[in-house]
Amino acid sequence: AQSVAQPEDQVNVAEGNPLTVKCTYSVSGNPYLFWYVQYPNRGLQFLLKYITGDNLVKGSYGFEAEFNKSQTSFHLKKPSALVSDSALYFCAVRDPSASKIIFGSGTRLSIRP
Amino acid sequence: GAGVSQSPSNKVTEKGKDVELRCDPISGHTALYWYRQRLGQGLEFLIYFQGNSAPDKSGLPSDRFSAERTGESVSTLTIQRTQQEDSAVYLCASSLLGQGAFRDTQYFGPGTRLTVL
Repeated sequence: AQSVAQPEDQVNVAEGNPLTVKCTYSVSGNPYLFWYVQYPNRGLQFLLKYITGDNLVKGSYGFEAEFNKSQTSFHLKKPSALVSDSALYFCAVRDPSASKIIFGSGTRLSIRP
Repeated sequence: GAGVSQSPSNKVTEKGKDVELRCDPISGHTALYWYRQRLGQGLEFLIYFQGNSAPDKSGLPSDRFSAERTGESVSTLTIQRTQQEDSAVYLCASSLLGQGAFRDTQYFGPGTRLTVL
């Protein structure tokens, strides 16, 4: 069965520093991986996805994610955090043989000025 | 173009009452999804529509929950005899092609916050 884990409930970073939000997954085949962001009182916004090709995927708002097949990870990264990046981030995975996308439990990112 | 819209944005109801939540997907999107997000938790899949049929309703938590969709347009999620544990944000998403297209991306609405007193 497919699953996705976000091991950190909260990540705190100072503005201007690099940030990483971790995600690991488990699927039976080649995964399709997604990151979404949820700002307060708003729905989820699509950030980026990995389907195939380059392991480093670039997305919205300067975010990128690196697919690592050997470590079954898809960590979200940004070189220099902004206070406005503070939000709830969800990783999601889809096994091509499965019928639905599974979302992680979310990681709250807090960027301090 | 316009994104996914949901109404109402907030709904407060008394235990035992029925509620209807509405979702307007992005025009042209054939697939529509409903999720539930309890406070501080991740997304819980409820039901998936392809057109106006629901090939996957495995996430509906009980027979008090039902959903309909008119063609490739509006969907309504109905919760009958609401209970306090139904309190959550209900999110709707739409996508162009649906679950048969593995590269498909879902686009979410702002959600309806349901509070059952």
